[in-house]
Amino acid sequence: ELKVEQNPLFLSMQEGKNYTIYCNYSTTSDRLYWYRQDPGKSLESLFVLLSNGAVKQEGRLMASLDTKARLSTLHITAAVHDLSATYFCAVVVYSGGGADGLTFGKGTHLIIQP
Amino acid sequence: DAGVTQSPTHLIKTRGQQVTLRCSPKSGHDTVSWYQQALGQGPQFIFQYYEEEERQRGNFPDRFSGHQFPNYSSELNVNALLLGDSALYLCASRPGLAGVGEQFFGPGTRLTVL
Repeated sequence: ELKVEQNPLFLSMQEGKNYTIYCNYSTTSDRLYWYRQDPGKSLESLFVLLSNGAVKQEGRLMASLDTKARLSTLHITAAVHDLSATYFCAVVVYSGGGADGLTFGKGTHLIIQP
Repeated sequence: DAGVTQSPTHLIKTRGQQVTLRCSPKSGHDTVSWYQQALGQGPQFIFQYYEEEERQRGNFPDRFSGHQFPNYSSELNVNALLLGDSALYLCASRPGLAGVGEQFFGPGTRLTVL
């Protein structure tokens, strides 16, 4: 059974600081997603990482994937208050015929204070 | 271009009742997945539909069933509701069964079981 672990689960940080969220998964997969969720809202796709060594950046967020270590990171640079949200990583569980249900981590609740 | 839409937005039921939730995928998408998100948790995969067939199922009891229509819209049915079924139910869609693109999530249906 695929397990996805995120850490930390809760993070309070100050504006302007840098930090990294980690996502470990237990079995082979080479497709990983990062999503953002604001309170009471749905999931917003941030990044899709498709191969070992993939790195993607959007604004102050940068995500990377190491399939050999089964590890993805989401790095936040010079945090601003607007990035306060819950961040989820999700890994594809392949099945016969190409179906791809996602297995999510528990999420990292990020609060950025002025 | 309309994104993924879900109805109703909120729903209140009592234990033992049955409920039907509806999802219309994003235009051009034919694969629909359903997820259950309990408060404070990551989404859990329920099942995925493609070409009107259930292609993959997560670890949910048979009380959870679904259907996909020829126009690609989908329904999630839950029988014999339990208090623990209270959650946000998310629908996600994407084009094709074995693609590598992202899954787009709808706004969700908040189900409360009393």
